[in-house]
Amino acid sequence: LAKTTQPISMDSYEGQEVNITCSHNNIATNDYITWYQQFPSQGPRFIIQGYKTKVTNEVASLFIPADRKSSTLSLPRVSLSDTAVYYCLVVGYSSASKIIFGSGTRLSIRP
Amino acid sequence: NAGVMQNPRHLVRRRGQEARLRCSPMKGHSHVYWYRQLPEEGLKFMVYLQKENIIDESGMPKERFSAEFPKEGPSILRIQQVVRGDSAAYFCASSPPSSTYEQYFGPGTRLTVT
Repeated sequence: LAKTTQPISMDSYEGQEVNITCSHNNIATNDYITWYQQFPSQGPRFIIQGYKTKVTNEVASLFIPADRKSSTLSLPRVSLSDTAVYYCLVVGYSSASKIIFGSGTRLSIRP
Repeated sequence: NAGVMQNPRHLVRRRGQEARLRCSPMKGHSHVYWYRQLPEEGLKFMVYLQKENIIDESGMPKERFSAEFPKEGPSILRIQQVVRGDSAAYFCASSPPSSTYEQYFGPGTRLTVT
């Protein structure tokens, strides 16, 4: 399973765009990049998943360069309610049974 | 479509007692996963089950812990003879067979061992 590295914490302000970058140098061909969000005292929530280039949904965008050794989760116009821990995961399609959560990025949004 | 249900939400047990945590997956999901989260830490994978089968239990302690997902009814995580170190939040997740990397988590059960 590829190891991921992401910042421990980030701060931003309401209305700003926030980009959280994750490194996964050992990503394998069959691996997908997946992001989860976790609020205090709640279970993680699936945000977005991608394999290459760009993926966008109603919550976020995910940018993956051609070499796939990193990815960037982009949250447009954040609000206070986006304060949470964001986990970057690399999950092999064939071994998706085990998802390894790292420490995540603790995002704090200020007024 | 109801989400993943877990009960109880909070459970207090004395050392040496048994704890039973229940998880009902989302409708249509046949895969269940259990995770443990200590305060201020990330989630640790424990076990992956399909109906009547344990697929991967590599994250589960060899002693005192067991899990099942019967043909009928919820998945059960059982902890025998609990110790203070078992105090944690236990999360259950479920996924459809077609995309096991997209897991939907329940609200968790917070176990406190006194």
